[in-house]
This record gives sequence, C-alpha cells and structure tokens, in this order.
Amino acid sequence: QKEVEQDPGPLSVPEGAIVSLNCTYSNSAFQYFMWYRQYSRKGPELLMYTYSSGNKEDGRFTAQVDKSSKYISLFIRDSQPSDSATYLCAMSFNNAGNMLTFGGGTRLMVKP
Amino acid sequence: EAGVVQSPRYKIIEKKQPVAFWCNPISGHNTLYWYLQNLGQGPELLIRYENEEAVDDSQLPKDRFSAERLKGVDSTLKIQPAELGDSAVYLCASSHTPGQGRNTGELFFGEGSRLTVL
Repeated sequence: QKEVEQDPGPLSVPEGAIVSLNCTYSNSAFQYFMWYRQYSRKGPELLMYTYSSGNKEDGRFTAQVDKSSKYISLFIRDSQPSDSATYLCAMSFNNAGNMLTFGGGTRLMVKP
Repeated sequence: EAGVVQSPRYKIIEKKQPVAFWCNPISGHNTLYWYLQNLGQGPELLIRYENEEAVDDSQLPKDRFSAERLKGVDSTLKIQPAELGDSAVYLCASSHTPGQGRNTGELFFGEGSRLTVL
C-alpha cells in the first residue's frame, strides 16, 4: 500500500461544477499538506499549502485537512475548462519541502 | 525571472544507450532535486543537492544512474545503459535551502525531460 493514495480518475465535470479532489494517507507524522497542479507535458506547480488540520481558501480553491481521518481535500468552485489538469497532493513532515511524498494524481477534465 | 530550465524536452533512444539530462535551477536556489515521474503516477525523488553536495541519493539506482552538480548551479543526470523501464519523465526542481528564512517549502519544477527507451 502506498503512503499517499489518490483516485487517478479521470474526473469529468461540466463547466461551473464544484469539484472535490481527495487524498488519503497512512503516516500520521505528516504535518504539511500541499496541492500541486500539473498541466499536460508541464511540470507541477504549487496551488495550495496548508499546515496541520483546518481549511484554507484562495479564490475558487479551498484546501481542507482532517488529520484525525488522514484525509485531505481540494475543492474547486465554479470550475473552468482551464482547470483541466492533473492534481497532485503532496505532504511532508516539515515545512522545508525537502521530504515531499506525492500522491499519484487525479486527472480532472472540465468540459465547456 | 526565468524558471527551472531543462533539456532536452524529449529524447528517444534504444536500450543500452546512454542518455543525459541537464537542469538549470532558478537563480539563487541552492537546493536542486531530480524526480522521476512514471505515466499516471506522482513524482518520486531520485536525488537532492544542497549546493554541490548530494545530501539524499538513497532512491537513485546507482548501478546505472549518476548525477552531478559540480559548481553548485547546473546539474546533469545520466543513465548508462538505459533500460526499457527507464521510459519516464525526469523532472528537475529547485528551492531555497530548507530551514533557511527564504524557504517556504515550495518546489519549483521544470517542464521535464521525457525519455522513451525502445
């Protein structure tokens, strides 16, 4: 079993839908949680960064961490075709970025 | 400001041939990472450099893979000889030094070098 699990998708939604992307993990020592977005044939780019449990909102994006359930989520409101990409969750024990463990990614397609 | 630059973007070789990838990190970033990304999977760390020192190479298959960062800036990753299973995307990333004030935990990735071994 992998340390960080993600449903690979693809997840197909109509434009304007609310999207929910999720990851589960097994190591309770993870403290920092990130979401990276990766467009086709591009490198990942950081989208959201949260520490410990709770919610963080940035525009149309909300990241949620539930450490008691070892479960993190990314919500996208009013989804746009430009949101079509692979979303990778990542987590680490520290905030230095040098010990990241990535999930396998969920491919999202937003149809106009 | 320029991002992380990688070359070549695409490389097709026959098995048992050597191949090399080059990475130029963001200016001022002392930490450089090489990641391997297989199709449909997340990136996996191969090696991490702090300046010219390899501080984490535990996941680098040392029988055929080698890396160097001689002057603490650019880096090369080499595979010799390549095997069919090495077909993947090789991602380079950089960041400020972990634990220092300017480090935010964010990794900045290049666009990757896509290797196909026939």
